[in-house]
Amino acid sequence: GENVEQHPSTLSVQEGDSAVIKCTYSDSASNYFPWYKQELGKRPQLIIDIRSNVGEKKDQRIAVTLNKTAKHFSLHITETQPEDSAVYFCAASPNDYKLSFGAGTTVTVRA
Amino acid sequence: NAGVTQTPKFQVLKTGQSMTLQCAQDMNHEYMSWYRQDPGMGLRLIHYSVGAGITDQGEVPNGYNVSRSTTEDFPLRLLSAAPSQTSVYFCASSLGPPNQPQHFGDGTRLSIL
Repeated sequence: GENVEQHPSTLSVQEGDSAVIKCTYSDSASNYFPWYKQELGKRPQLIIDIRSNVGEKKDQRIAVTLNKTAKHFSLHITETQPEDSAVYFCAASPNDYKLSFGAGTTVTVRA
Repeated sequence: NAGVTQTPKFQVLKTGQSMTLQCAQDMNHEYMSWYRQDPGMGLRLIHYSVGAGITDQGEVPNGYNVSRSTTEDFPLRLLSAAPSQTSVYFCASSLGPPNQPQHFGDGTRLSIL
């Protein structure tokens, strides 16, 4: 099955700085890579996703890059704000009916 | 439009007891799944269903049963609760297979004593 590794497990950044979270996956058949944000005590919510036919995708301050050859993808958050503090999960889906998640990154934005 | 509704929100059980976690969605989604979330381990897939009458195992299915008699409902049953099943359980649904955005419920926090 798919194995997704996520680094770092915790990340503290100064407000206004950038944050980068990296994930690697093992199954070369994976073709869908979403990122979920989970605020404390809340449900995970999709913030951005990318498919294997695209190398980069942006949505305002958030961007995701994908390197299929190296089997890794990254989340970039620019101009971080206090409301960006949360746990972020990456995930990968191969060509079956399963979605495998990374262990999560706790992001803290310091004012 | 309620989305994905999970009940109960909190539950405390004794070892050996059984219970059912309820999950319902009103979006006519074909794919539904159950995850457990434990500290430092992300979300792990327990069981999933690609449509009414069809279920299959995920990464950590032992100790859990599911059924899908209707498109809307996907209950998760703990057969004989064990302390290792203490966790937060999330139900999710999507229009198609999981290479579509997943809509999560609010979760059920379950403690097994």
